[in-house]
Amino acid sequence: GNSVTQMEGPVTLSEEAFLTINCTYTATGYPSLFWYVQYPGEGLQLLLKATKADDKGSNKGFEATYRKETTSFHLEKGSVQVSDSAVYFCALSAWNTGNQFYFGTGTSLTVIP
Amino acid sequence: GAVVSQHPSRVICKSGTSVKIECRSLDFQATTMFWYRQFPKKSLMLMATSNEGSKATYEQGVEKDKFLINHASLTLSTLTVTSAHPEDSSFYICSARGQANSYEQYFGPGTRLTVT
Repeated sequence: GNSVTQMEGPVTLSEEAFLTINCTYTATGYPSLFWYVQYPGEGLQLLLKATKADDKGSNKGFEATYRKETTSFHLEKGSVQVSDSAVYFCALSAWNTGNQFYFGTGTSLTVIP
Repeated sequence: GAVVSQHPSRVICKSGTSVKIECRSLDFQATTMFWYRQFPKKSLMLMATSNEGSKATYEQGVEKDKFLINHASLTLSTLTVTSAHPEDSSFYICSARGQANSYEQYFGPGTRLTVT
């Protein structure tokens, strides 16, 4: 079946630190992979996506590369800001399950000045 | 483009009453809408999938008589929590998909339901 495993938080970093949030997946077929961000009290916003192996999604300084060989889609940012404090969800969508989304458990990030 | 709204954003209701949550796609036609429930500090749990004009498909363990879903038009889906109880208090999020074979879903901002 399809599933997403995401590193547990919470993660606390100082401003300008390097961020990595690990995400691995299991899927039958060739899923599309996503990172969503949720700010306090709000819904999910798409941060970035990758639809095939070796694709790199990027947005707002965040990057993630679709690694088929390691079934991973780790989120990285070189220098975090206080405004990046949020919960980050890794997700996959697979055509063989009607493009239903499967979410990881979310990782809470707090960036301190 | 691809904006999804939800109304209300917050609602407080008394135990035993019913509450309706609306999900609208504002600038596209949504062939499929999804309803999720999010518990505190947890991930999203898919409750049901609804296609316009047909009955919703509920995930295992979700009571369809308690969580009534109607997808009457290509831009509107509603979730009605019937005879609400405090354990139904949660954050409910909808999403919408424009094309049947698309992997993209666009999420609404969520509705915080508190049952007293």
